[in-house]
Amino acid sequence: SQQGEEDPQALSIQEGENATMNCSYKTSINNLQWYRQNSGRGLVHLILIRSNEREKHSGRLRVTLDTSKKSSSLLITASRAADTASYFCATVETSGSRLTFGEGTQLTVNP
Amino acid sequence: EPEVTQTPSHQVTQMGQEVILRCVPISNHLYFYWYRQILGQKVEFLVSFYNNEISEKSEIFDDQFSVERPDGSNFTLKIRSTKLEDSAMYFCARGKGLGVRDTQYFGPGTRLTVL
Repeated sequence: SQQGEEDPQALSIQEGENATMNCSYKTSINNLQWYRQNSGRGLVHLILIRSNEREKHSGRLRVTLDTSKKSSSLLITASRAADTASYFCATVETSGSRLTFGEGTQLTVNP
Repeated sequence: EPEVTQTPSHQVTQMGQEVILRCVPISNHLYFYWYRQILGQKVEFLVSFYNNEISEKSEIFDDQFSVERPDGSNFTLKIRSTKLEDSAMYFCARGKGLGVRDTQYFGPGTRLTVL
């Protein structure tokens, strides 16, 4: 398996529900970042969490990081139809600065 | 945060031709990156560029690829002899500030189609 694997691959929920996406990785990291991508469009940065942090919030987003399990989760609360997109986690290792992306989770929020 | 802009938004070329993709970053940012995303696949790192030098590159970034910042403004990715498998979205990204391993902000991408 590869660095930055998300699950589930696809998630379909109703507006107002919460959406949780998970990401696992294999190496030691400096930070982990979450991005959103609407179909055929660019990547929008959502949040960055550093290896010495366990939880961060930004608006309706909550990100957790468990370095002992090498995993992270992204929670979107009170989802909206406009949240429909692909969500990617990407890690930055302790050396270098490249982002290593996962396969992504396709989130569909039904109105 | 302001993003970078990329030109062109879509480039169609014949196999074997050279293409140059351009990225116009906001000034005072030192770290720049190129990534690509083949349709339906994940985003892959190509190269990072710091202080007018390549600082890191992936195995994808072979001799067919080159990057430069010729005039201190535009940041270009050149593919010398395109192949069919080079068809992808190419994203330029910039680092948030002066630190390495910081947030990266992506441009809207250039869709390259090789026929």
